[in-house]
Amino acid sequence: LAKTTQPISMDSYEGQEVNITCSHNNIATNDYITWYQQFPSQGPRFIIQGYKTKVTNEVASLFIPADRKSSTLSLPRVSLSDTAVYYCLVGVNTNAGKSTFGDGTTLTVKP
Amino acid sequence: SAVISQKPSRDICQRGTSLTIQCQVDSQVTMMFWYRQQPGQSLTLIATANQGSEATYESGFVIDKFPISRPNLTFSTLTVSNMSPEDSSIYLCSVGGTQVVTEAFFGQGTRLTVV
Repeated sequence: LAKTTQPISMDSYEGQEVNITCSHNNIATNDYITWYQQFPSQGPRFIIQGYKTKVTNEVASLFIPADRKSSTLSLPRVSLSDTAVYYCLVGVNTNAGKSTFGDGTTLTVKP
Repeated sequence: SAVISQKPSRDICQRGTSLTIQCQVDSQVTMMFWYRQQPGQSLTLIATANQGSEATYESGFVIDKFPISRPNLTFSTLTVSNMSPEDSSIYLCSVGGTQVVTEAFFGQGTRLTVV
């Protein structure tokens, strides 16, 4: 599975847009990019998944450049409740339960 | 989507003893996965549990230490055997999704403290 690199931590303020970038230089042709969110004392929760270009859902947007060697998770207008660890995963999406988690990015949203 | 229930949610155990963690899914799934999350760390896959066959363990994890059962398509157990303080972690079970946008669903986890 492709290795991913994310910033260890990020700080933001309520109402701001937050962009978390993940590097995955060794991404394979069949790999998808998936982001999870984890709150303390909870299991990770799926946020968004994409293969190329841009994907948007009610929670976030995912931007993937043409070379797919990186991706950016964009959280619009964050609130205090978005404080969590965000994981970027790269792999074949046919077996999503078997995942390799990187170190993740701890996002702290301040008032 | 899938709803996963884990029991117990937390436990404090004496070293040398064993704890069995249960994972119940609200739908039938072919594969279930067990993860460990050590304090302040990311998740590490322990093993894949298939119904009707032995679990497949990842490097660094062995069946004698983490025996797994998978008696049917909605249930699995993970036992942490002969525990030591180093086994203090959160243990999570997971299943894969079945939709086009494939996602994994996780239980709330079992917080284990070994004293």
